[in-house]
Amino acid sequence: QQQVKQSPQSLIVQKGGISIINCAYENTAFDYFPWYQQFPGKGPALLIAIRPDVSEKKEGRFTISFNKSAKQFSLHIMDSQPGDSATYFCAASKTGAQKLVFGQGTRLTINP
Amino acid sequence: EPEVTQTPSHQVTQMGQEVILRCVPISNHLYFYWYRQILGQKVEFLVSFYNNEISEKSEIFDDQFSVERPDGSNFTLKIRSTKLEDSAMYFCASGRELGSQPQHFGDGTRLSIL
Repeated sequence: QQQVKQSPQSLIVQKGGISIINCAYENTAFDYFPWYQQFPGKGPALLIAIRPDVSEKKEGRFTISFNKSAKQFSLHIMDSQPGDSATYFCAASKTGAQKLVFGQGTRLTINP
Repeated sequence: EPEVTQTPSHQVTQMGQEVILRCVPISNHLYFYWYRQILGQKVEFLVSFYNNEISEKSEIFDDQFSVERPDGSNFTLKIRSTKLEDSAMYFCASGRELGSQPQHFGDGTRLSIL
């Protein structure tokens, strides 16, 4: 019940296209859903996060869509650029808890 | 922008030896964490630390592991009697508030056990 399932494992998108990464969770107590971006040799960096009281959050080219009834959330990267090539992790946590539970990660490659 | 810094960036150790990984969290943060990432796998929670004591730990964090905040700025992870399977990236993170809030990660220490 603590798992967060992420798909796909890898994704190749053409420059200018839309990248979509999906995550699903089981624990309805989760109330914080961040996305992290990780470049090789670097730590995860917070990209954008959402709480379940909203269905969508947009920051620049990055949008999180959240479906509470389906227990799913997704990251959309609009106008994808080669510099977006990285590994993306979804995560979840709950108020009062300490830990982030991470998904398996998606390796995104944007072809020029 | 304030950063979490970790040293060393790469540590090579013989199996059975003790290793200490060091972290300097962001200065006004109160919650400190260690995570582990085995090559090609997801990031896994090890332990959280608040008010000079462990507040939560995973089943991975057994008696082989310990954490300490020896002074006002450093946060360390000690692994005693290292095993081959301890080889991984170890990330330190810190946060200002509990639970649903951003955790900021360092760039990690790559631990290689020979």
